[in-house]
Amino acid sequence: NAGVTQTPKFRVLKTGQSMTLLCAQDMNHEYMYWYRQDPGMGLRLIHYSVGEGTTAKGEVPDGYNVSRLKKQNFLLGLESAAPSQTSVYFCASNSDMSEQYFGPGTRLTVT
Amino acid sequence: AQSVAQPEDQVNVAEGNPLTVKCTYSVSGNPYLFWYVQYPNRGLQFLLKYITGDNLVKGSYGFEAEFNKSQTSFHLKKPSALVSDSALYFCAVRYTGKSTFGDGTTLTVKP
Repeated sequence: NAGVTQTPKFRVLKTGQSMTLLCAQDMNHEYMYWYRQDPGMGLRLIHYSVGEGTTAKGEVPDGYNVSRLKKQNFLLGLESAAPSQTSVYFCASNSDMSEQYFGPGTRLTVT
Repeated sequence: AQSVAQPEDQVNVAEGNPLTVKCTYSVSGNPYLFWYVQYPNRGLQFLLKYITGDNLVKGSYGFEAEFNKSQTSFHLKKPSALVSDSALYFCAVRYTGKSTFGDGTTLTVKP
């Protein structure tokens, strides 16, 4: 099992550009999440999904959109990147009562 | 709205001494509670969880945590700290699928 994978691992964007981060899990988990972690800070929830076809806003959803068209994939989109979105992005998944399994992270820099 | 508070940014202990990392939460219901650890430039690793049952839960690497419903707390403990325990520790609360994290506590264990 690959667990939770994230693509890409690194990306540099210019202000105003768009991109999509892909998260994939092979554990048949219902729940999937996107977090951002800024230096010296905790994880802030951007969006999450409690099942295929569903999404919900987290604590810091502005500037991001998500889609969960397939159970195993959770996409995070940045429509018009801003320097404030420079961060490390983590995807996670879990079943109902299990712990979360995290991807390796995507380091995004917006210049 | 749910929230998690880790009141101490930093905890310093001497090797061999007991350690406690504090966590309190606010949620309208009975949440699942988790502790994770993060080493530099790494993702999060699961330590332990409380779902239901015994208030004292034991986890990986000799860590344990006590759930206190009346005080809405879930403090992480270890009887004898190791230098290798030095890391960033996160408490998390999950309710109706939404999973949010505290800001983290940096644990430093000195020889």
